[in-house]
Amino acid sequence: GAGVSQSPSNKVTEKGKDVELRCDPISGHTALYWYRQSLGQGLEFLIYFQGNSAPDKSGLPSDRFSAERTGGSVSTLTIQRTQQEDSAVYLCASSLAPWKATDTQYFGPGTRLTVL
Amino acid sequence: GDSVTQMEGPVTLSEEAFLTINCTYTATGYPSLFWYVQYPGEGLQLLLKATKADDKGSNKGFEATYRKETTSFHLEKGSVQVSDSAVYFCALTDGRYSSASKIIFGSGTRLSIRP
Repeated sequence: GAGVSQSPSNKVTEKGKDVELRCDPISGHTALYWYRQSLGQGLEFLIYFQGNSAPDKSGLPSDRFSAERTGGSVSTLTIQRTQQEDSAVYLCASSLAPWKATDTQYFGPGTRLTVL
Repeated sequence: GDSVTQMEGPVTLSEEAFLTINCTYTATGYPSLFWYVQYPGEGLQLLLKATKADDKGSNKGFEATYRKETTSFHLEKGSVQVSDSAVYFCALTDGRYSSASKIIFGSGTRLSIRP
């Protein structure tokens, strides 16, 4: 597609359930990023993929959060045993040339997660 | 660590007014600087960027100049329109490393323009 796509656009779940969020990056973009946007914390980096490997996982808030990327394309962010503080908009971005200072990250529309 | 501080909002202006949204940064390397915009109900979009000192980024009538001496990247527009109403985020990436750089965002400034 022309841009980064994410699914679902909205997810409502009960506390303690697991959720999976999906990201389809721009075709050909080797780098993929996950961010979280919440009222209390603003926009925060979660994890970065180069190809299928994740050299930077420094932003994952706890071991309940994990992510994988397959085929150098689609990525899934999984949150286990969701808590109310996990409620946020989860944003995915991709970029073409992360080794360049001129590189630009392009963002998807986000998945709004609400944990009841 | 690296950080971005931007003007608290909300900011309310009349149409055709001059806009400045202040942004300063702290970084130990040589960051690239960005302004992102989030229109109501839409995703985050890159507005403009500058990758080295004294560069000026511009787009849609907005401008920002990378000032290393004052560690600033203030956003300006000479005449705002109602359609500029949005949340604006100042951001940086640290380009020191060969691997990709995460974006560090400011807290965002909500801008509302009155007709």
